[in-house]
This record gives sequence, structure tokens and C-alpha cells, in this order.
Amino acid sequence: NAGVIQTPRHKVTGKGQEATLWCEPISGHSAVFWYRQTIVQGLEFLTYFRNQAPIDDSGMPKERFSAQMPNQSHSTLKIQSTQPQDSAVYLCASSPGNSGNTLYFGEGSRLIVV
Amino acid sequence: GDSVTQTEGLVTLTEGLPVMLNCTYQSTYSPFLFWYVQHLNEAPKLLLKSFTDNKRPEHQGFHATLHKSSSSFHLQKSSAQLSDSALYYCALSRLTTGYQNFYFGKGTSLTVIP
Repeated sequence: NAGVIQTPRHKVTGKGQEATLWCEPISGHSAVFWYRQTIVQGLEFLTYFRNQAPIDDSGMPKERFSAQMPNQSHSTLKIQSTQPQDSAVYLCASSPGNSGNTLYFGEGSRLIVV
Repeated sequence: GDSVTQTEGLVTLTEGLPVMLNCTYQSTYSPFLFWYVQHLNEAPKLLLKSFTDNKRPEHQGFHATLHKSSSSFHLQKSSAQLSDSALYYCALSRLTTGYQNFYFGKGTSLTVIP
């Protein structure tokens, strides 16, 4: 069991550039979550997929952030026109999707916008 | 709506002293409660999960008791170790319109000093 895999682990991008982060959930898990983690805000919920369908994107900054799950083995989080305040660790997590199931996190993608 | 409150942002303890990290929650339903631990530069990982039959979960010397009357799930350990220094998140999980969702507290950073 490889766990949740996230790539890249580190990304430095210039202000105004685009950043795409990838996540491979644990095989067989139907629920995929994206979180943003900063020292100030802690874990912030961004978006949630169930069986590849977007269920809740209430945490996503609407204008520049988008997430997709084109197949059951990967999800992407895209940030357009990156800003310094987007600098954070982006965590992907997956779960079997039923009440009481544990959420398993990847090691995260650290994004630095300079 | 559902929410989780962790009142302490930073806790510093001397090795050997007892640990207690507070967690209270609000939920209309009977949720599952979790404690996640995140060591520096690592992914958050499950430490404890509440049981449905009122058993007290224990792991690595930590335990937590779900008190529905006070909506609490405080994390405790009798004697802190240097290796316990980490970020601890309390989380709530329940089904929302048929889909599992998670709600995290802001986290408590525990530092254990010699």
C-alpha cells in the first residue's frame, strides 16, 4: 500500500505563473480531499471529490483555483496567476468514504511563490 | 453547523509531565472524532479514533475519551516524551447528505522540553 502520493513535493514559482499539483489517492478510496496548510490558518479545507465527482468546493478561492479528478487514480489542483499569499503546503487526502473511515494524507506539496 | 475547537494553539511541557490537549465539538449528529498527529515535515497521520461503543482508544501511550454530554474528546498522556513534540489536530467526521465529510480544529502545537 503506497499511501497517498503527491507530486511535486516542492515547487517554487514566480508571481503570476501557474502551478499544478498532482495527487494519487489510495487505490479503492472513493473520497479525495484537498487542504491548504499554513502556520497562521492551520488546515483549510479546499475541495472534495466523491467517486470523481466534485461534491464540495466551498473552500476554493473561486477566481484562480480549480481542481479536477479526471479518473479514480489522480486529482489535480491548479492555481493560476499565483500570488505570494498562495505559498503554503497543499495536502491531498483520501478515504474509503464511509462514516467513521480514516482520512489518509499525502506528504504534501510545498508551494513557494516568489 | 459542525465545528471543532482546540483552545490551545501552543503548549510547552517538560518531559515526564502529563499531557492534556483540549478538543470540543459541535455537531447535530453523532460524529466520529479523531486525533491526527503531524511531525515536522511529515504528513498528518491518525493517532486515535473514537469508537461507537464507548471504548477508550489508546495508541502510543495517548488516550482520549469521547464525552457526548460535554461534546469533548480531549487527548491525554500520562508522561510526555521529547518525541511527542508535534502538531496535533482534532477532527470530526460524519456523513453529510450521504457523503463523508471532515471538520478540523485549528491544531495545537506541542513542544516537549528536557
